[in-house]
Formats: sequence, structure tokens, C-alpha cells
Amino acid sequence: QSVLTQPPSASGTPGQRVTISCFGSDSNIGSNTVNWYQQLPGAAPKLLIYSNHQRPSGVPDRFSGSKSGTSASLAISGLQSEDEADYHCAAWDDSLRGYVFGTGTTIIVL
Amino acid sequence: QIQLQEWGPGLAKSSETLSLTCTVSGVSVNSEIYYWTWIRQPPGKGLEWVGYISSSGSTNYSPSLKSRVSMSLDTSKNQFSLRVSSVTPADTALYYCVRDTIAAAGSLFDYWGQGTLVTVSS
Repeated sequence: QSVLTQPPSASGTPGQRVTISCFGSDSNIGSNTVNWYQQLPGAAPKLLIYSNHQRPSGVPDRFSGSKSGTSASLAISGLQSEDEADYHCAAWDDSLRGYVFGTGTTIIVL
Repeated sequence: QIQLQEWGPGLAKSSETLSLTCTVSGVSVNSEIYYWTWIRQPPGKGLEWVGYISSSGSTNYSPSLKSRVSMSLDTSKNQFSLRVSSVTPADTALYYCVRDTIAAAGSLFDYWGQGTLVTVSS
């Protein structure tokens, strides 16, 4: 079961900015860094953002992450059709002593 | 380049033990800066962390699965394995083997296998 809460879906037209939220608690997001993973249809997840806002090599700067208190956000600016995917947030949980994931958000490009 | 590949039976019956192995290439499972991790995803659902094994053989399992899960490391074959006992249909999922890089600001799952679907029948 997912411990972090995300909206099931979000949508936008090409070129728009879309934001996904991830809500947690003091024991996970409130105490640890957040990573984001992009999962294209039929593919394995891929690391998109780490340590709240860092981008791995090769990830476009259209993707940005932030964290405040017990919530985190992923923003996609200049939305493109290839951004249609599921996005998952993740963090370590000190109480559970394990990693927890978000419920996942599907981005739809209209 | 770094690659991870899961393999094992795609079907299991309730109450049996599910066994999967991940073959790693391009990096040694002996490296101290990685945890070798299993993550699963039930069809149409979100991701669930199953647990990890370190290069020293220490393990950390999800509290919800701890009583049924075990992991092992075979450094001679550069592989690591997962066993889940007493499976039920709720264990039906796409199982991913993943490299977890231990960074200063926390861990990150930076390399993933393609995933293998395990279906548990009742």
C-alpha cells in the first residue's frame, strides 16, 4: 500500500506547465529527500529527480522538483507528447524503516 | 553499460514459494556503494519496495513482507535473488530488480531491470 499521496491524473496541452503534488508525513518527506520516477507506458521506471530537485544527466531541465515540509512537487514546463507517462514520488520512511512510494500520477497530454 | 535482468518462473500457486534472480552486468554486486533492491508493481497499481541486500549480505525488508521474504547474493555469478514464501494472488506483480545507489543525501534507484511478471493462481 502506498504511503505517499498523489493525484491520480493531471493533464495539459503541449507547451503548458503541469505540476504534480506528493503528500507525506513527518517520518518520510518531512525527514528525508524525495525522488521522482517517470514510467513510460510498458517500460520500467526511470529516475527523473533525486534529492528533491537534482536532475540526473540527460534529464531535460523542463523537469523540476521541490520540497516543502511534508510535501513535494514535480513540475513539467513546456509539456510535450512524450511526457505522457506515470510519475511516482518516493522517500525513505523513518518509522517504517523502508522506502515508500506515492500512489502514482498519470500525465495526459491533450 | 550497466544492465539488470530478472528471470524466474512466471507462474506460482498459492502457498508456494516464488523465486527470482537478477543478473547484473557492467557493475559488481560487491561494490559497497550500492544496495541491490527488489521493487514490485501489481498490475495497474503503484510501486512497492520489497527490500534490499547489500554487498556484505546485510538485508532490509519491507515490514509488510518481512516474515515471508528473503534475499541472497551470489558474487561469483554477479547475481542476487529474491524468495517470497506462502504466496497468494495478492503477490501477483511485475517484479523489478533495481540498483540503489547510496548517496550523501539519500538513496536513489538509478538502474532498473525490465521487470518480470509473476502471476499467483489460487
